[in-house]
Amino acid sequence: SQTIHQWPATLVQPVGSPLSLECTVEGTSNPNLYWYRQAAGRGLQLLFYSVGIGQISSEVPQNLSASRPQDRQFILSSKKLLLSDSGFYLCAWSPRVEETQYFGPGTRLLVL
Amino acid sequence: GEDVEQSLFLSVREGDSSVINCTYTDSSSTYLYWYKQEPGAGLQLLTYIFSNMDMKQDQRLTVLLNKKDKHLSLRIADTQTGDSAIYFCAYDTGRRALTFGSGTRLQVQP
Repeated sequence: SQTIHQWPATLVQPVGSPLSLECTVEGTSNPNLYWYRQAAGRGLQLLFYSVGIGQISSEVPQNLSASRPQDRQFILSSKKLLLSDSGFYLCAWSPRVEETQYFGPGTRLLVL
Repeated sequence: GEDVEQSLFLSVREGDSSVINCTYTDSSSTYLYWYKQEPGAGLQLLTYIFSNMDMKQDQRLTVLLNKKDKHLSLRIADTQTGDSAIYFCAYDTGRRALTFGSGTRLQVQP
């Protein structure tokens, strides 16, 4: 069966510091991968999606970036965090041939 | 307006039925989804319905789809305290991404 992992689970970072969140999927190959952000009390906003290694599509302009160095690894990064980057970051995957998405446990980021 | 609209809050008593509603604007969706998010956790896929269906039942869950009115609902029978969570409606547009509503917080009172 497939599983999706995210780490860290919780992160507190100062403004201006760098960020690296990791997401890995097990039990499948060639998945579509997604990063979403959920701000407090709000819905989900799609940040990035990837259909293959090195292929990243950005949905909204921001100071975040994403990379996919391996088939089942998706990384969300920032060189300098802003206060507005605080939120709950969710990684998701879907099989190639359908759109049903399965979510990881999320990373809660607090920027102070 | 928003692509997907949901009411923000619903409160029911334990044992009653809950109905969570969602309206959407894009008529090209292939699948429509309901996800559940418990406090501090990721999203759990509850159920989905293919756009050429009008009803799907899965144990205590019933999904109704009115394509003409672009209205989707989730009915939870015999609601339990463990059903307390935020429920998100979502649809795909074939762009390899889902569009989510802002979520409905369901509170179940004992």
